[in-house]
Parts: sequence; C-alpha cells; structure tokens
Amino acid sequence: SAVISQKPSRDICQRGTSLTIQCQVDSQVTMMFWYRQQPGQSLTLIATANQGSEATYESGFVIDKFPISRPNLTFSTLTVSNMSPEDSSIYLCSVGVASNQPQHFGDGTRLSIL
Amino acid sequence: AQSVTQLGSHVSVSEGALVLLRCNYSSSVPPYLFWYVQYPNQGLQLLLKYTTGATLVKGINGFEAEFKKSETSFHLTKPSAHMSDAAEYFCAVSDRGYGGSQGNLIFGKGTKLSVKP
Repeated sequence: SAVISQKPSRDICQRGTSLTIQCQVDSQVTMMFWYRQQPGQSLTLIATANQGSEATYESGFVIDKFPISRPNLTFSTLTVSNMSPEDSSIYLCSVGVASNQPQHFGDGTRLSIL
Repeated sequence: AQSVTQLGSHVSVSEGALVLLRCNYSSSVPPYLFWYVQYPNQGLQLLLKYTTGATLVKGINGFEAEFKKSETSFHLTKPSAHMSDAAEYFCAVSDRGYGGSQGNLIFGKGTKLSVKP
C-alpha cells in the first residue's frame, strides 16, 4: 500500500492566520482526499483532489476557506485560511484507486488555533 | 445516499474476552464496507474490507467481520481481546457516486475500545 507523509504533524496557530498542510505519496495515485476530524468526532470529507482538475468540495466546505492544490500525481496541499478556534481539528489526507478499494491515510495534522 | 451507524461510542472489555463492535449501514446499492482502526496520535489503518464474494472477511490483528445483507450489518469481532487493541474503530461505506464524490468514504461516528487487564 501507498506510504503517505503529511507535514506538519501538528501546529499551534494564531487566529486569523493561514496554514498549508502538505501530503506526499510515494507512488502515483489518481484520487486524493482531504478529511477533517473534529475533537471526539468522526471524519468528514472536505474535498476530493484529482490531478488536472479543480477540487470537488463537499457541502459546507468552500474553496476560499480550504483552497487545495494538486500539481501532480504524488502531491497535494490543503490550506486552512483565516483560522478561528472552530478550525481546531485533525486534518487527514488519504489516497484511493477506486471505490471498491480501501483508502490509505496519512498520520494527520493536529491543528490548534488560539 | 449511503450512511453508517455504529452502536456504542465506547465499549469496554476484559483482556481475553470477545470483542464485538457493531456497524449498520444504509445503501441503495451493494455496499463496499471497511473497518479502520485509529491509535492515539495516528492516522487510520485499514483492518479489513468487504466488496464482493465471501461474506466473512478476515483482517489484520485477528479481527474479522461478517457482511449480513438481510440485517444491513457489518459487525467487527475478535475472539480474544489484547491490551494493544485499545483504540478507536471506524466503520465506513464507500460512496459509489451517489450523493457525493465517487470513491469517498462515509464514516460512522466511531467506537472507542478499552481493554481492562
């Protein structure tokens, strides 16, 4: 299975600032996903990032708040913009091949906003 | 649209006892189902999956799950719990293009498993 590296692993940020999270995969993958896991909660999909096309955002998530880049088949970034304490969460990237195959996850970025 | 319900946000068992974590799903098409485990400060690790074929699937670390269409269930079991099994477990169904991004996972709320010595 793919090895996924996320950076940073954790950060503490000030209100109103932005943070870019990187996701690097050791092999070329078609589908990359970004999830949010709020404290004590399950995972919620933010967007799907496929190379060569604009990211597809789920209901409740907008590009201005969570811009995503997917410059190639092994790399993606998620930016959390104009952060507020409500953005304190774990952000995880995952990669997938097809809907009948499991996704593989990075270790996540633990983000706290003061 | 697909959905997943995990009964019991917290399950506690004694070491050596049976582990049973419940998962029910809703899907208008034959589902693709997955169980993931999340250890503290880590991402999600795949335990097992069901797509087609044999309804009893075996995964890593001695876990298995049985797909029961009539009950719309995919419960996770392990005959004998070990201290190292303490973690949070997530059941998920794959969105096959209905109501969401194709291929994304829809997760249950998770069940935190505690193992007492």
